[in-house]
Amino acid sequence: NAGVTQTPKFRILKIGQSMTLQCAQDMNHNYMYWYRQDPGMGLKLIYYSVGAGITDKGEVPNGYNVSRSTTEDFPLRLELAAPSQTSVYFCASRGSGAWTGELFFGEGSRLTVL
Amino acid sequence: AQRVTQPEKLLSVFKGAPVELKCNYSYSGSPELFWYVQYSRQRLQLLLRHISRESIKGFTADLNKGETSFHLKKPFAQEEDSAMYYCALLLGAQKLVFGQGTRLTINP
Repeated sequence: NAGVTQTPKFRILKIGQSMTLQCAQDMNHNYMYWYRQDPGMGLKLIYYSVGAGITDKGEVPNGYNVSRSTTEDFPLRLELAAPSQTSVYFCASRGSGAWTGELFFGEGSRLTVL
Repeated sequence: AQRVTQPEKLLSVFKGAPVELKCNYSYSGSPELFWYVQYSRQRLQLLLRHISRESIKGFTADLNKGETSFHLKKPFAQEEDSAMYYCALLLGAQKLVFGQGTRLTINP
């Protein structure tokens, strides 16, 4: 199993451009999450999904959109990139049932908005 | 507000010295807390969870409800312990809230 796969690993955007960060998992996990990691700020939850067709906002959803059309994929869309969105983005997943608190993370996508 | 606070952004200790990474939480219910670790060029991964009361790689963490703390400790630091450490709090059954993280550096 590849686990959680994120693409791209690096991207530079100009202000106002749009892009989609891709996330896929092959563990048949229902729950998927998007976090952003800013230096000194820790990880902040952007959006999460409890299953195909169901998404919900986290702590910092403004400027982002998500969709969950399949169990495997959970793309994160930035519509009008702003410098404040410069960050490292992490996708994570977990299975259903009683949760022990373990999330499986991707390698991260480093985004720079200039 | 439900949150996790790690007061130290950076912590540097010498090899063989004791290590303590601090974590304080604010939560109205019965908390479930975790430590995650991110080694250089590796994925963020679970280190330990308080309900297991386990020791992983020599690290332990005790939940102190009176002080609302969940500090991570190791009696003798090793160079391979250098990493970014995050304390996390389980919210409901669906979300993890992370602290700001502490970068631990073990000096030879």
